[in-house]
Amino acid sequence: AQTVTQSQPEMSVQEAETVTLSCTYDTSESDYYLFWYKQPPSRQMILVIRQEAYKQQNATENRFSVNFQKAAKSFSLKISDSQLGDAAMYFCAYVASGGYQKVTFGTGTKLQVIP
Amino acid sequence: KAGVTQTPRYLIKTRGQQVTLSCSPISGHRSVSWYQQTPGQGLQFLFEYFSETQRNKGNFPGRFSGRQFSNSRSEMNVSTLELGDSALYLCASSPEERPWLGQYFGPGTRLTVT
Repeated sequence: AQTVTQSQPEMSVQEAETVTLSCTYDTSESDYYLFWYKQPPSRQMILVIRQEAYKQQNATENRFSVNFQKAAKSFSLKISDSQLGDAAMYFCAYVASGGYQKVTFGTGTKLQVIP
Repeated sequence: KAGVTQTPRYLIKTRGQQVTLSCSPISGHRSVSWYQQTPGQGLQFLFEYFSETQRNKGNFPGRFSGRQFSNSRSEMNVSTLELGDSALYLCASSPEERPWLGQYFGPGTRLTVT
């Protein structure tokens, strides 16, 4: 069974600084997708970034970028120039491609941004 | 377009009762997935529907069931509620036949079982 592990329950970062959230996963599949979702307090979860396993290039979305290490099964999220609005729970997620696979989420990392 | 809506937003039920939660996806989206979110377990997949057919189901007891209507609206039902069913239930819709390419989440229904 696929598992997703986020070993940092909570993290904090100073405003304007850079922070990296860690995620590891376990799978026997070779083709899959990885995601980072953001859930602000009392607000809806939104997709931050998506990475396709067969693409070696790391995905980026403005201030958000990932470091995808397929062999190590590691998928970290880097947030640059942190803003107060980045404070949220961040969830790493995995799904195998092909067929109708369920999405597996990590337990989340709570990010605090300090003014 | 209006986002994913879930009703009710908050619900308090007693152990042993049953409950029905509703999810209206974004217009044009045919895939609806349900998740249970708890502090200890994180997000756990319940089931996914596409065009009224359940395509995948998570590891939940048979007390959890769902359905999807022809207009893509979905409902989930939990019978014989237990204290451990207290959670935030999230619904997510997708325009794609492969929902994992882009899921749009609703605000959730906070269920408290006493």
